[in-house]
Amino acid sequence: QKEVEQNSGPLSVPEGAIASLNCTYSDRVSQSFFWYRQYSGKSPELIMSIYSNGDKEDGRFTAQLNKASQYVSLLIRDSQPSDSATYLCAVTLDSGYALNFGKGTSLLVTP
Amino acid sequence: EPEVTQTPSHQVTQMGQEVILRCVPISNHLYFYWYRQILGQKVEFLVSFYNNEISEKSEIFDDQFSVERPDGSNFTLKIRSTKLEDSAMYFCASSEAQIYGYTFGSGTRLTVV
Repeated sequence: QKEVEQNSGPLSVPEGAIASLNCTYSDRVSQSFFWYRQYSGKSPELIMSIYSNGDKEDGRFTAQLNKASQYVSLLIRDSQPSDSATYLCAVTLDSGYALNFGKGTSLLVTP
Repeated sequence: EPEVTQTPSHQVTQMGQEVILRCVPISNHLYFYWYRQILGQKVEFLVSFYNNEISEKSEIFDDQFSVERPDGSNFTLKIRSTKLEDSAMYFCASSEAQIYGYTFGSGTRLTVV
């Protein structure tokens, strides 16, 4: 069974701090990696995609990928209360393009 | 911003009944997907669809499920004989290319009683 593991949280950070979210995956052939944000009762919303080792920055978000360690992370700088949500890590299954989602990490940004 | 539209937003059906969930993907997208999320659990892949045929499907997507693109805009998921365990939020998604992340619709909450 190919797994995507995330700490369920909740991860609580004060407003303005950096939130660090982590994800490990078991399928070595996975090629594409995504972070989605899901507010309670809503659908997942794409935040970042990353395909090669290293860092990728987009505004306040930085995704980091280490394929050798099978590890992907998301950093949120200057966290805002509106960032409070569940963050889903998603990894392509096998060599295809279907996504295997983790259970998500709940982030709470306190004012 | 372009959206993936799903209807209905909530459907209640009796066990054993057939349901059809409807989706209108983003117009220039070529790849379409159905996922589901049982309450409190992770988002699970059901099926992907490209060029009028299924390209990938999961073990969940058994003979009770089918997908169709009946015209140039709609994409449907049919469950032939619903079971209690089919109760979930069903998300349609589309993407311009397979390598890109998806845009999800707002979902249909299916409740089987």
